[in-house]
Amino acid sequence: AQSVTQLDSQVPVFEEAPVELRCNYSSSVSVYLFWYVQYPNQGLQLLLKYLSGSTLVKGINGFEAEFNKSQTSFHLRKPSVHISDTAEYFCAVIQSDTGGFKTIFGAGTRLFVKA
Amino acid sequence: EAGVTQFPSHSVIEKGQTVTLRCDPISGHDNLYWYRRVMGKEIKFLLHFVKESKQDESGMPNNRFLAERTGGTYSTLKVQPAELEDSGVYFCASSQVAGGNTEAFFGQGTRLTVV
Repeated sequence: AQSVTQLDSQVPVFEEAPVELRCNYSSSVSVYLFWYVQYPNQGLQLLLKYLSGSTLVKGINGFEAEFNKSQTSFHLRKPSVHISDTAEYFCAVIQSDTGGFKTIFGAGTRLFVKA
Repeated sequence: EAGVTQFPSHSVIEKGQTVTLRCDPISGHDNLYWYRRVMGKEIKFLLHFVKESKQDESGMPNNRFLAERTGGTYSTLKVQPAELEDSGVYFCASSQVAGGNTEAFFGQGTRLTVV
């Protein structure tokens, strides 16, 4: 079974500073990776996804992530964060088994952006 | 186009009572998923419907949980009787097709508190 590890449960950062949220996944032949964001009192929103092709994936709100197969990582980055980026971020992978497809999530990383 | 909607947004019930959560997927999406996040842990898969059929219910915790999707449209998740450990946020998601490279759209979740 697939698994996802988010290495930081909380990340405090000052506004306009860069940020990296780390994610490692268990190895698989084919891997589809996602980052979701949950803003306070809202649902899960897709930030970006890696399906194939270029290992650098750009998403919404200035976020990007790099797929690194050798390190089984999919870290999320933003060069300059805003207060409005304060949210919880989830790394996820699609698992395929006899039951079909399901999304496997990491435990989440809470990003706190301070003024 | 309306997204995935869930009702209610919050529910507080006493231990032993029954609660029914509802999910309306995006119109035309045959695939509907239920997930749960308990006590700040990972968001975990509960089950997957394809139209009105249960494709995979391997994540359902026990027989106190009953999910239905009559007519292949909206779905309900009933917890009867509710226990304290059922508290958490229940997410619903839908997708047009089921596949590793298919994005699932999530609702804002129902926060269930059992007291």
